[in-house]
Amino acid sequence: GAGVSQSPRYKVAKRGQDVALRCDPISGHVSLFWYQQALGQGPEFLTYFQNEAQLDKSGLPSDRFFAERPEGSVSTLKIQRTQQEDSAVYLCASSPRIAGGYTFGSGTRLTVV
Amino acid sequence: AQKVTQAQTEISVVEKEDVTLDCVYETRDTTYYLFWYKQPPSGELVFLIRRNSFDEQNEISGRYSWNFQKSTSSFNFTITASQVVDSAVYFCALLYNNNDMRFGAGTRLTVKP
Repeated sequence: GAGVSQSPRYKVAKRGQDVALRCDPISGHVSLFWYQQALGQGPEFLTYFQNEAQLDKSGLPSDRFFAERPEGSVSTLKIQRTQQEDSAVYLCASSPRIAGGYTFGSGTRLTVV
Repeated sequence: AQKVTQAQTEISVVEKEDVTLDCVYETRDTTYYLFWYKQPPSGELVFLIRRNSFDEQNEISGRYSWNFQKSTSSFNFTITASQVVDSAVYFCALLYNNNDMRFGAGTRLTVKP
């Protein structure tokens, strides 16, 4: 597609529920990033893929967070046993090359109640 | 430490005024990239500019201009003759290690008619 597509746009989860957030990057973009943006804050790095390889997951806040990109295109961010502090907008970005101008998706707003 | 500071939390101006958004960064790396992004109410991060650490030439794009000064570790952004459509949150970001991007907390700009 023309841009980075994320789904769902909004997600409400009950505390303890598992969620899966999807990112469709721009076709051909090798780099894919996940960020977490809390209300009123700047995005915080979660994890980075180059093709299907997860090269950096240092930003994942706990072992409840897991990301994958099995075929080097679509990526899924999974959060297990959601907690209220997980409520945030989750942004996905892709880039055709390292240190490029990333294109961000519109994000998924997760609310844990 | 790698850090981006946007000291201005909120700025309000009247249409046609010029406004400068400040960004100060910290990094130990000699090779790095600086970015500005715009985040309108829709939530998507819109790429505005990328500058590498070896290029201190200032840039102008229409009503936008950027002033990069390594001596003061600053990368300020000026909007000339502001318009209501410029209202958004603006983020400055630092990219180092080729994939780790740190964002500032953002500056919310409101342009009143």
